[in-house]
Amino acid sequence: NAGVTQTPKFRILKIGQSMTLQCAQDMNHNYMYWYRQDPGMGLKLIYYSVGAGITDKGEVPNGYNVSRSTTEDFPLRLELAAPSQTSVYFCASKMTGLDGQPQHFGDGTRLSIL
Amino acid sequence: DQQVKQNSPSLSVQEGRISILNCDYTNSMFDYFLWYKKYPAEGPTFLISISSIKDKNEDGRFTVFLNKSAKHLSLHIVPSQPGDSAVYFCAASATYKYIFGTGTRLKVLA
Repeated sequence: NAGVTQTPKFRILKIGQSMTLQCAQDMNHNYMYWYRQDPGMGLKLIYYSVGAGITDKGEVPNGYNVSRSTTEDFPLRLELAAPSQTSVYFCASKMTGLDGQPQHFGDGTRLSIL
Repeated sequence: DQQVKQNSPSLSVQEGRISILNCDYTNSMFDYFLWYKKYPAEGPTFLISISSIKDKNEDGRFTVFLNKSAKHLSLHIVPSQPGDSAVYFCAASATYKYIFGTGTRLKVLA
């Protein structure tokens, strides 16, 4: 049981390039989330999904896009990379929308934009 | 506006002693509060949670206390062990979304 798997672990991009951060979970969880963590800061919610085909914006969605075509996968797309998007990105999932149910996190993707 | 605050960026404690990590929040609508632990180069892992209708929850060495009137919660680790050295995040839940604090780095000295 792999849990939440994020790829790649590290990536360096040039300004203006695009890339997709991959996230896959094998726990059949309905809810999936993308966060970014900047140095000395907490996790900020970028986008989330409550099930296949349904996505919504979080606190900091600008510059990102997501899709959820299957229960397992929730990729995050950066279209025009900017230095402000240098961060560590975490994907998380949980089974239901019940309050207080803990999320399971992947190990993160460290992204640098130069 | 930071709805969940962890005002101590770091804390050092001697092995065997109690570690107390604090968290303050501003929104009285939060239903649950969770603590996560994070090691370097790993994702956060869930530690313990508490419902807003309770004031204490215990799990082994970890106890979370909630003071709703003060909008304050704390995580107690007794006894502290070197393996507890990590960054601890508190999070508050409203519906199915979570607001995270900025974290406290705990260092347990052997």
